[in-house]
Amino acid sequence: RKEVEQDPGPFNVPEGATVAFNCTYSNSASQSFFWYRQDCRKEPKLLMSVYSSGNEDGRFTAQLNRASQYISLLIRDSKLSDSATYLCVVNPFFSSGSARQLTFGSGTQLTVLP
Amino acid sequence: NAGVTQTPKFQVLKTGQSMTLQCAQDMNHNSMYWYRQDPGMGLRLIYYSASEGTTDKGEVPNGYNVSRLNKREFSLRLESAAPSQTSVYFCASSEAGAGRLNTEAFFGQGTRLTVV
Repeated sequence: RKEVEQDPGPFNVPEGATVAFNCTYSNSASQSFFWYRQDCRKEPKLLMSVYSSGNEDGRFTAQLNRASQYISLLIRDSKLSDSATYLCVVNPFFSSGSARQLTFGSGTQLTVLP
Repeated sequence: NAGVTQTPKFQVLKTGQSMTLQCAQDMNHNSMYWYRQDPGMGLRLIYYSASEGTTDKGEVPNGYNVSRLNKREFSLRLESAAPSQTSVYFCASSEAGAGRLNTEAFFGQGTRLTVV
């Protein structure tokens, strides 16, 4: 089983739609969670961190469900500029020892249509 | 702000040739990473370095070597390139260190490598 799993999509939605992505992770020790955005042929960039209480940044809402080991990203009022691949990222935390690497999902492709 | 700088941006190699991908960051980050990205596979970690002088294998280290030259620079070497190493390579850095939650990772623009 992959450590981080995402529905690859593609998700094709009309402008103004609400779209949600889910991501599941297998390592229950994971402590840090992020959503990254990657435009075509570009490097990934942080979209938002995901906190236990859930957090919102404008049209974007991220939530974490530790019991079920999944995180979600909700995009409201989709814009054409939201078209990209969204990467779910988790990272386990250890109180001692070297830092652990970020583990990426394979990404969910979103296309917002006019 | 330069952030993370990778060179070269594009490279074509013949099977068996060697090359080094260079990466430098100017954010004083402890941790640096090399990933490869293939269609449908997401980013897979090749090697990472939690601090100057230390390196560790990631998920797909075979065929690669790395050097953490100093805190700023982390290079990736292909000793004998193979067509299976055709990919997009990303270097990244973050403030992550022992006992700390990982923080945002900043990526270079990527190197598109083709091995023929």
